[in-house]
Amino acid sequence: EAGVAQSPRYKIIEKRQSVAFWCNPISGHATLYWYQQILGQGPKLLIQFQNNGVVDDSQLPKDRFSAERLKGVDSTLKIQPAKLEDSAVYLCASSIRRSSDTEAFFGQGTRLTVV
Amino acid sequence: AQTVTQSQPEMSVQEAETVTLSCTYDTSESDYYLFWYKQPPSRQMILVIRQEAYKQQNATENRFSVNFQKAAKSFSLKISDSQLGDAAMYFCAYSSRGAQKLVFGQGTRLTINP
Repeated sequence: EAGVAQSPRYKIIEKRQSVAFWCNPISGHATLYWYQQILGQGPKLLIQFQNNGVVDDSQLPKDRFSAERLKGVDSTLKIQPAKLEDSAVYLCASSIRRSSDTEAFFGQGTRLTVV
Repeated sequence: AQTVTQSQPEMSVQEAETVTLSCTYDTSESDYYLFWYKQPPSRQMILVIRQEAYKQQNATENRFSVNFQKAAKSFSLKISDSQLGDAAMYFCAYSSRGAQKLVFGQGTRLTINP
C-alpha cells in the first residue's frame, strides 16, 4: 500500500512570510497527526485529527499555526507569519484509528528553514 | 505530564555485535504503550517495536528486543547481530492507551562500525 505522502520535501522562506505543507495519509486511515521535530530533538505533536475533526491541538501555537483536514482525507498545515524558531522538520502521520494499539505510519516530512 | 528521557545522545557498536539503548519515562498512568522508532536520514519514522504496559513479557521482533521494567519506569532496546542498516536515530516514545499521542525522547544516534 502507498505510504503517507508529504510535500514539499524542503522549503526555505524568510521570516514573516507564510508557508503551507500538504499531507496525504494512507487510504482509510481515520486519524492524522502533525508533528514538529526541531533539530536535535524528538518530534512533538502539534495537532491530531479524527476524520475531519480536531481532537487535540493543545500544543499548536494558534496565533501563527493553523491546520485543516478537508473531507477527512488530505491535510494542510500553515504557518503565518513564520519565525526563525519555526525551522524544523514537519512530520505527518496517520493511523487506522485513534488508539495506541494501532500503528502510526509516518511520512518523510518537510524540512522548513526560516532565514 | 508524561516525559521520556534518553540519556545516551550517541552510541556505536561493531557490526554483528549487540548494543543496548536506554530509555526512562515518567507517568502517573498505569495503562500505556511504549515504543521504539527508528529514523534514518530519509527522516521517515519507522516503528521498531511496541510494548503494552500491562503485558509482563518483553516484546521481541527478530533481532530487536526490549527490557521493560515497569516499576523502575525503564524501557531499553537491545539490538542483536547489529547490521550496517541499523545505523539511524532511535527514539523512545510513550502513549496513553486511549489516545495515540506519542511523547518522544530526545533520541540516540546509533553508528555501526564495519
